[in-house]
Amino acid sequence: GAVVSQHPSWVICKSGTSVKIECRSLDFQATTMFWYRQFPKQSLMLMATSNEGSKATYEQGVEKDKFLINHASLTLSTLTVTSAHPEDSSFYICGKEGDKFSTDTQYFGPGTRLTVL
Amino acid sequence: GENVEQHPSTLSVQEGDSAVIKCTYSDSASNYFPWYKQELGKRPQLIIDIRSNVGEKKDQRIAVTLNKTAKHFSLHITETQPEDSAVYFCAASTPGTYKYIFGTGTRLKVLA
Repeated sequence: GAVVSQHPSWVICKSGTSVKIECRSLDFQATTMFWYRQFPKQSLMLMATSNEGSKATYEQGVEKDKFLINHASLTLSTLTVTSAHPEDSSFYICGKEGDKFSTDTQYFGPGTRLTVL
Repeated sequence: GENVEQHPSTLSVQEGDSAVIKCTYSDSASNYFPWYKQELGKRPQLIIDIRSNVGEKKDQRIAVTLNKTAKHFSLHITETQPEDSAVYFCAASTPGTYKYIFGTGTRLKVLA
C-alpha cells in the first residue's frame, strides 16, 4: 500500500486570493504524484502529474499558470490555486503510486475541500 | 486518449442481493483496472483490481471480471450489506504512464 496525507483538509478563501495545498508521502519516496479535482457528484478528473525535480505535466484544458505544482522533494508535492474564483471550489485529491509490489496502484490522500467565496 | 464509461449511474439493491457495475474502455493498450469505493467526503479506497493478463479475480464478496476482447470489465458484489452503500469508481491505466482515467461513478444504495 501507501500512505498519503494532505493539508489542509478544508479551506475557505476570498475570491482573488491564492491557496496552497500540500500532499505528503508518509511511508516512502514518490518521484511521481498526481493531482485530481472532483466536483460534487462527479468523478475524479486528473489535473496534472507532478514530477520530482522537473516540471509538472498538465492535462489538456488545465491552466498551468493558475494551478501551480511544485514537487521539490521526494515526499512533498504542492498545488497552488492562484487567483482563486468561486468556480475553483472543489475537492482536490492527490495520489501516488504504490510500493514496489503495487506500482500500478494509486493511493489517495484524504482530499482538500476548497471553497472560494 | 482513453475513455472510460460506467453504468449504471445509480443502483439500489436489497440487502443480501448482488450488485453489478460495468465499465467499458476505449484504449486497447490499457492493462490495469482498479475499482475504488468512495464514501461521502472521503478519499477513494481501492477495493479490488485486475490486470490484463487475468480474466477474473475474487476477494471474499467482491469480484472483478475482465473481457479484453470486448474491452469491458465489471465489479460484482455479492451478499450486499448496508455498509456497501457508497460511490464506486472504475479506472483504466495504460503501461508506463501510471495515469488513471476514471469512470463516471456508480452510486450504490443497499436497502436494509
